[in-house]
Amino acid sequence: SQQGEEDPQALSIQEGENATMNCSYKTSINNLQWYRQNSGRGLVHLILIRSNEREKHSGRLRVTLDTSKKSSSLLITASRAADTASYFCATVVDRGSTLGRLYFGRGTQLTVWP
Amino acid sequence: EPEVTQTPSHQVTQMGQEVILRCVPISNHLYFYWYRQILGQKVEFLVSFYNNEISEKSEIFDDQFSVERPDGSNFTLKIRSTKLEDSAMYFCASRDPRGAWGETQYFGPGTRLLVL
Repeated sequence: SQQGEEDPQALSIQEGENATMNCSYKTSINNLQWYRQNSGRGLVHLILIRSNEREKHSGRLRVTLDTSKKSSSLLITASRAADTASYFCATVVDRGSTLGRLYFGRGTQLTVWP
Repeated sequence: EPEVTQTPSHQVTQMGQEVILRCVPISNHLYFYWYRQILGQKVEFLVSFYNNEISEKSEIFDDQFSVERPDGSNFTLKIRSTKLEDSAMYFCASRDPRGAWGETQYFGPGTRLLVL
């Protein structure tokens, strides 16, 4: 299947530390997006990186994309307890979908301890 | 900031009953989607919709499911005869393909459906 797979499944860190989550996928993509989900709540869009981009920043977030390895990473710097959530990568397959359906991975559960 | 809204937030129904999940997408968006997330599993695409037509649907979206945009603001998902395995969180999303953020899908808070 195309779905991204995140690694690790769970990550537990102290406030102030950096958190790195990885995502791998299988087929060529148009773009890759990262979402956050607080427990039992909706999906919040964090950042989008296109297939011709290698790195993007947004505040404390840094996303990289390596299309040769079909992988992406999300780095959250100086983490806070409020960053505790599940993080999902989602891909849009290149030429695979008219309206760009998203293929989600299983997510990484990040816990940040105060 | 505009956002996608969904009602109800929770719905409990008996197996075999019909349910309608409602969504109000962001007002100037053109593409609409439904996804679902069974507890503990990944978010799965159900259907996409544009110009009053289904654009794409997944294998999950069988004859029991239908979508409609009955007016200029609502986007609904109907499950005709619910099964136990339809229990999930259902998310609506919308997207405006024009402009700098055209590839971003904005999700609603979800409707948690429990089929008994």
